[in-house]
Amino acid sequence: SAVISQKPSRDICQRGTSLTIQCQVDSQVTMMFWYRQQPGQSLTLIATANQGSEATYESGFVIDKFPISRPNLTFSTLTVSNMSPEDSSIYLCSSLRDTFSDEQFFGPGTRLTVL
Amino acid sequence: SQQGEEDPQALSIQEGENATMNCSYKTSINNLQWYRQNSGRGLVHLILIRSNEREKHSGRLRVTLDTSKKSSSLLITASRAADTASYFCATDSVGVQGAQKLVFGQGTRLTINP
Repeated sequence: SAVISQKPSRDICQRGTSLTIQCQVDSQVTMMFWYRQQPGQSLTLIATANQGSEATYESGFVIDKFPISRPNLTFSTLTVSNMSPEDSSIYLCSSLRDTFSDEQFFGPGTRLTVL
Repeated sequence: SQQGEEDPQALSIQEGENATMNCSYKTSINNLQWYRQNSGRGLVHLILIRSNEREKHSGRLRVTLDTSKKSSSLLITASRAADTASYFCATDSVGVQGAQKLVFGQGTRLTINP
């Protein structure tokens, strides 16, 4: 089953700056997902990233704010742009366990604090 | 919008007791998954139950699914201090442009007291 790692594990950033979060999967996967978990809340899907195509964003999320790259079948990045304190959240990437599974596995998350 | 609602929001029990958490959802599903999250870290996948299944077991975990009531329950038997965590249910849904996505419930915060 897929093992997912994320970098950085946490960061503290200044308002107005941008942070790029990396997600690495140890096997080739078609779809990767990016979620946000605001403090004390549940998870909300930001976008789905397919290799070789534009990411698909959910309602309320836009590419200018959360640009995503998916250069190959094992890697993706999410950038949180022009950050404000409201962007303070845990950001998690996920993928399906394998090609034949509906089980979705998650990375350890990136805890972002914006001052 | 959140599809799932979990009940209770918080549960505190003594070590060794059983813990039951419930999840309700609104639309038809293909499957439902349960996850555990320790102290704001990543999610650990516990179990997936399909819409044509009524019950599934994994170790001390028992999950039931009632599609007629659009509800699921997670039972943890013989609880341990290490089970202290937040537990989330997630249902599959179709997002923007037909992309498959998970919709999460609000979670149950479980505390096991030694």
